[in-house]
Amino acid sequence: DQQVKQNSPSLSVQEGRISILNCDYTNSMFDYFLWYKKYPAEGPTFLISISSIKDKNEDGRFTVFLNKSAKHLSLHIVPSQPGDSAVYFCAANVPGNTPLVFGKGTRLSVIA
Amino acid sequence: ETGVTQSPTHLIKTRGQQVTLRCSSQSGHNTVSWYQQALGQGPQFIFQYYREEENGRGNFPPRFSGLQFPNYSSELNVNALELDDSALYLCASSWDRRQPQHFGDGTRLSIL
Repeated sequence: DQQVKQNSPSLSVQEGRISILNCDYTNSMFDYFLWYKKYPAEGPTFLISISSIKDKNEDGRFTVFLNKSAKHLSLHIVPSQPGDSAVYFCAANVPGNTPLVFGKGTRLSVIA
Repeated sequence: ETGVTQSPTHLIKTRGQQVTLRCSSQSGHNTVSWYQQALGQGPQFIFQYYREEENGRGNFPPRFSGLQFPNYSSELNVNALELDDSALYLCASSWDRRQPQHFGDGTRLSIL
């Protein structure tokens, strides 16, 4: 039973436009959410996070939005650049020193 | 600051053999987690160590075992290897659950 779902396996966006990656979760106990980016032959790299007490967190070109009532979060990348092409994973965990639960990932391709 | 390093990068084994994978945590990080990433999937939690004690375990059989050493480096041992154990094994470290986990580049394990 997947607690974190990324329903779009892939997404293609033109350079300079906005990329929107979506993530849904089922566990209402999750209170901390993260996005990781992964290039081939490398480990996941932390991108941005959000606590459940907030509904938005911004870091440069990256913004994460959290809608707790819908159990949905999204990552916006504006403007998208070819170097953003990678697999993006959504992850979450519950209170305490607990492990991350990951989605299956979305492959983003930014076309020049 | 040295990041998370894993060794070896690639490994080929046959069914029934045993394997040990190694991880050096990022400096100052006392928590290490191991994940298995099968092809097309997100990382799946195996277990976590905090200050040399196992601090949580995912849905993996007992033939997956681990250790954390006083310098916070860690090992993942897998006995009686099966074909389904073929995957990328990722190690991640952190010093607090509210801080993002930092991943190594992983060990690609292939079982023939």
